[in-house]
Amino acid sequence: EAGVAQSPRYKIIEKRQSVAFWCNPISGHATLYWYQQILGQGPKLLIQFQNNGVVDDSQLPKDRFSAERLKGVDSTLKIQPAKLEDSAVYLCASSFPSVTRTSYEQYFGPGTRLTVT
Amino acid sequence: GQQVMQIPQYQHVQEGEDFTTYCNSSTTLSNIQWYKQRPGGHPVFLIQLVKSGEVKKQKRLTFQFGEAKKNSSLHITATQTTDVGTYFCAGRYWGKLIFGQGTELSVKP
Repeated sequence: EAGVAQSPRYKIIEKRQSVAFWCNPISGHATLYWYQQILGQGPKLLIQFQNNGVVDDSQLPKDRFSAERLKGVDSTLKIQPAKLEDSAVYLCASSFPSVTRTSYEQYFGPGTRLTVT
Repeated sequence: GQQVMQIPQYQHVQEGEDFTTYCNSSTTLSNIQWYKQRPGGHPVFLIQLVKSGEVKKQKRLTFQFGEAKKNSSLHITATQTTDVGTYFCAGRYWGKLIFGQGTELSVKP
């Protein structure tokens, strides 16, 4: 079974530039998550999709971050304009949606390491 | 907002010693998950605990969920160099998974 795919793996940009990350979840996983992981910290949820609908985006800085999952499969996360504090690893994860169980485990992609200079 | 506190932040052990990391929440959790992140890698799911007082074992790893469902622990018996990495707990509140800051384990051979 193929895992969660993400690209690019690394990105270096200057502040005020824009950047986009792409994620392809595991086939059949309707729930997709974007996390921000700053060095030395745990992943912080930015946005959660179920199919192509947003379930939770309460921690997404909406003035500069946007995400979409138009066809309920692939997703993109965009930052515009980037700030120095956006330097982090951006992780995409997917899981089965919870129906009868409390929750399912999340499968993480390799992440995109963003450096903003 | 809700927080999940994890201690210690770092733990350095000699190979063969035991290791424990603790996770605490101020509010009751629906369940708790544990993940391991190897250096340079991504989090990998280890286990989920749902019931009050639940204890689960995976070889040398023992996971516990507190009676009040507010705390959890991961204990590794006789650590090996392959155990190196950062261990995260992630508590679920009302559908949202909140990660702790992790405990970084280093093992000296």
